[in-house]
Amino acid sequence: GAVVSQHPSWVICKSGTSVKIECRSLDFQATTMFWYRQFPKQSLMLMATSNEGSKATYEQGVEKDKFLINHASLTLSTLTVTSAHPEDSSFYICSAPREQQFQETQYFGPGTRLLVL
Amino acid sequence: LAKTTQPISMDSYEGQEVNITCSHNNIATNDYITWYQQFPSQGPRFIIQGYKTKVTNEVASLFIPADRKSSTLSLPRVSLSDTAVYYCLVGPFTGGGNKLTFGTGTQLKVEL
Repeated sequence: GAVVSQHPSWVICKSGTSVKIECRSLDFQATTMFWYRQFPKQSLMLMATSNEGSKATYEQGVEKDKFLINHASLTLSTLTVTSAHPEDSSFYICSAPREQQFQETQYFGPGTRLLVL
Repeated sequence: LAKTTQPISMDSYEGQEVNITCSHNNIATNDYITWYQQFPSQGPRFIIQGYKTKVTNEVASLFIPADRKSSTLSLPRVSLSDTAVYYCLVGPFTGGGNKLTFGTGTQLKVEL
């Protein structure tokens, strides 16, 4: 089946530093990927849509200058949390859609746990 | 995107069949219904997807009535490892990447 990976799986950083999270589709190409954030005991919240070859589109309330997204290739999207602060500590998850037999299925990465001290 | 409503939580015992119903009164003609399972500190995992009537795979069944305003995920003979949050999502197949809006989900707890 389709696999989406994320790296790193967890990261601890100091306040003010930047952290890059990678999302890869391992056995299919994805012109679009999505980034979500999930706080404890809450549902996933869509942050942005990553588009290969063009700018990402951000959901309302998400700062595009703080959460930089680069869709470098058909199998890789990166999310950079710039000048991270403790309130950015969360579980970040990416997903990539795959079309099969006239249906579209979203495959999710395992997530990246970010802790900002 | 159609809004979905699910029970916040459900309890069950091992070996029982669990049915989780999701309401989506505003579902559009080109919307599909997809269910995901999420364990703590993991990304959601695709369970099943359907458009109408009944869909069955090796993990679950999905029942969708004719009016498509609701759907029921059926998990046969649950085990402790089925304890997870289950999300019902409704959205169109756009062919270019479909934004998913997650609701609260249903926390299923399976006990011995």
